[in-house]
Amino acid sequence: EAQVTQNPRYLITVTGKKLTVTCSQNMNHEYMSWYRQDPGLGLRQIYYSMNVEVTDKGDVPEGYKVSRKEKRNFPLILESPSPNQTSLYFCASSLSAGAGREQYFGPGTRLTVT
Amino acid sequence: AQSVTQLDSQVPVFEEAPVELRCNYSSSVSVYLFWYVQYPNQGLQLLLKYLSGSTLVKGINGFEAEFNKSQTSFHLRKPSVHISDTAEYFCAVSNITGAQKLVFGQGTRLTINP
Repeated sequence: EAQVTQNPRYLITVTGKKLTVTCSQNMNHEYMSWYRQDPGLGLRQIYYSMNVEVTDKGDVPEGYKVSRKEKRNFPLILESPSPNQTSLYFCASSLSAGAGREQYFGPGTRLTVT
Repeated sequence: AQSVTQLDSQVPVFEEAPVELRCNYSSSVSVYLFWYVQYPNQGLQLLLKYLSGSTLVKGINGFEAEFNKSQTSFHLRKPSVHISDTAEYFCAVSNITGAQKLVFGQGTRLTINP
């Protein structure tokens, strides 16, 4: 089944404890992206990747890191999480970076930082 | 830069009634337009998109949307809703050139009452 998977689905952590949220797609997509969803703000892009080893900042990149060493994986790293990073996170992928392409979303990771 | 405004944060309707979810956008360049749906505890999935051609676009699950360039709107409609349409709906735009990037509205929570 073609899908985007994220792990973990739920995570509660403490301020300052490094964490990684994994994202993997099995559709051989070139483009991958991370979003955070907050009430009343919709989804905002954190980072995106147009292909292996090519990543760039989105609208809200502060406090996050990403890497794209393999085409299928695009982990999101929080080196020192803070409470304002409590949010619902979505990974998405698309066949290519060309505009107009459908993005396929993972099921989401709900992160709570205390 | 683009921005998207969804005019209603919540829309309650009765089953089998018609519904319209409103979306307005602002952009200095031409854009593509999208509606995504998020069912409870799931990721987003594409309902429909407008790239070019006919301004009336039909999507999945009986939804349709009309692109109005003069009013910079892309309202979503369904003539008769079902309980299963209960979800959050997001309008999004992307620049037609350059790398794909979606800018989302704040979301509209559609609640169907029996």
